Amino acid sequence: GAVVSQHPSWVICKSGTSVKIECRSLDFQATTMFWYRQFPKQSLMLMATSNEGSKATYEQGVEKDKFLINHASLTLSTLTVTSAHPEDSSFYICSAVSDFPRGYGYTFGSGTRLTVV
Amino acid sequence: AQSVTQLGSHVSVSEGALVLLRCNYSSSVPPYLFWYVQYPNQGLQLLLKYTSAATLVKGINGFEAEFKKSETSFHLTKPSAHMSDAAEYFCAVSGSGNTGKLIFGQGTTLQVKP
Repeated sequence: GAVVSQHPSWVICKSGTSVKIECRSLDFQATTMFWYRQFPKQSLMLMATSNEGSKATYEQGVEKDKFLINHASLTLSTLTVTSAHPEDSSFYICSAVSDFPRGYGYTFGSGTRLTVV
Repeated sequence: AQSVTQLGSHVSVSEGALVLLRCNYSSSVPPYLFWYVQYPNQGLQLLLKYTSAATLVKGINGFEAEFKKSETSFHLTKPSAHMSDAAEYFCAVSGSGNTGKLIFGQGTTLQVKP
């Protein structure tokens, strides 16, 4: 079946540094990728939608300059948390869609636990 | 616009008992509905999905859900709970328009008691 590889699984970084999270579709072409953020004991909140070769669409309230999303190819999307601060600590999950826009075929990465100290 | 409401943030059942997790949706277009399970510090695993075909959808691990348009519901059931079913469950909706966004409910924690 469809597999999405997300790396790293966990990362600890110092406040003020940047962290890049990669999301790769291993056996299909992902026309669209979604990035979610999940706080402990809470649901997934959509941060942005990225389409290959175009700028990401951010949800209201998400800082574009802090959460840089790049979707340069049909198999790779990256999320860079710039100048990270402790409040950015969270669980980040990507999701790739192979049958867009029909609404099925979402495949999720295993998530990245970001801790900013 | 689409939204999902999961009734009950925490459900506790005994092993072998019926599992019922409730989900109601709101959608301005015919919805696609999903149930996902999440184990601690892991991504989401698809249990089942409704994409306008049969209203009774069977998924993995013995789970099933029934789409009821009149009640705008998509409740998840399993006849007999197993200890390994203890996890976080999310109901999600996607409109059939061209945004493709998947909107999640608040989640329900399922506890299974021996």
